[in-house]
Amino acid sequence: DIQMTQSPPSLSASVGDRVTITCQASQDIGNYLNWYQQQPGKAPKLLVYDVSILEIGVPSRFSGSGSGTDFTFTISNLQPEDFATYYCQQYGSLPFTFGPGTIVDFK
Amino acid sequence: EVQLVESGGGLVQPGESLRLSCGASGFTFSTYVMNWVRQAPGKGLEWVSYISGSSSTIYYADSVKGRFTISRDNAKKSLYLQMNSLRAEDTAVYYCTRDGRGDVWGKGTTVIVSS
Repeated sequence: DIQMTQSPPSLSASVGDRVTITCQASQDIGNYLNWYQQQPGKAPKLLVYDVSILEIGVPSRFSGSGSGTDFTFTISNLQPEDFATYYCQQYGSLPFTFGPGTIVDFK
Repeated sequence: EVQLVESGGGLVQPGESLRLSCGASGFTFSTYVMNWVRQAPGKGLEWVSYISGSSSTIYYADSVKGRFTISRDNAKKSLYLQMNSLRAEDTAVYYCTRDGRGDVWGKGTTVIVSS
């Protein structure tokens, strides 16, 4: 099974900051990498799929990059509604696996 | 509107069974792979099971293999998860999701396994 790691586990930031989260897969997953945002008590929401493609309606301040085993998710100009938990997930190989999540909270 | 709605959660005792359902609307259900994903209280997301559009390919997480069964009825646009021999560690919110991208999620149904 492919293991996914994320860093950092949490970070504190301010409105307007640039935030970067990294995700590493234990094997090459090609471009089959998603990023989700989860607000407390809500279902996760897909933000980015296939490494760098923004889901329809997702603001352009969100972006993703990488390939193979190393991936990056960036929020430029952090907004109040962006304080949440973010997960990466690989779907290149069953079983699909999630990273442990990164909590983005107020500094 | 594209929508997934889970149902069937509840409080059960260890060793008991439960069947979750997920109703789909707003898209051609039979053409999409579907998944179950769960989230234990205060924990991260855990992928549970996958089923292809024709039900020809099915896969489970090791944590539920042999106890859970995924199925679908394309005519009814419904996805199911039969959960047997439930354990305390199965306590979670269970979500159904569409496609490998997980582009559509239901709001979830809560399963509590406790004596």
